[in-house]
Amino acid sequence: EAQVTQNPRYLITVTGKKLTVTCSQNMNHEYMSWYRQDPGLGLRQIYYSMNVEVTDKGDVPEGYKVSRKEKRNFPLILESPSPNQTSLYFCASSLHVGAEPQHFGDGTRLSIL
Amino acid sequence: AQKITQTQPGMFVQEKEAVTLDCTYDTSDQSYGLFWYKQPSSGEMIFLIYQGSYDEQNATEGRYSLNFQKARKSANLVISASQLGDSAMYFCAMRGLGSNYKLTFGKGTLLTVNP
Repeated sequence: EAQVTQNPRYLITVTGKKLTVTCSQNMNHEYMSWYRQDPGLGLRQIYYSMNVEVTDKGDVPEGYKVSRKEKRNFPLILESPSPNQTSLYFCASSLHVGAEPQHFGDGTRLSIL
Repeated sequence: AQKITQTQPGMFVQEKEAVTLDCTYDTSDQSYGLFWYKQPSSGEMIFLIYQGSYDEQNATEGRYSLNFQKARKSANLVISASQLGDSAMYFCAMRGLGSNYKLTFGKGTLLTVNP
């Protein structure tokens, strides 16, 4: 089954403790992306990747890191999480940039205390 | 910079009636794509419809159609014959197709379909 898989689905952690949210897709997609969703703000793009070793900033990259060492994986790293990074996070992928819609993962709800 | 504006935080419609959800955009890109997504209360993001900036005809997908007015920079979603299952949050999004491949979302419109 074609899918985008995020882990964990839920995480409660404390300020400053490094965490990684994994994202994996099995569709051989080139374009992958991370978003955060906050009430009243819609989805905001954090980082995106056009292909292996090619990443670029979205609209809200501060406090986040990403890497794209393999085509299927695009982890989101919070080196020193803070409470303002409490949010619902989505990973998404598409075959190319263009008309293809993004396939979204089920979301990861992060709470930073 | 790209910007998407959805001016209707919430909309109500009677079952079986049509409803239009507004979306205006701003971009310096000559080539871009416009998307609409649905997010039900369960949280998943569901792709509905796509319109390319150079597409001459308005996109349609079943009960969904996109009223694309390029000169006005608007890309409104029309849902015909609303169903109770259409109650959800709806997001308009835009992606540049030139040198900028960011995907920018609007803040969303919460649609409630009344029986």
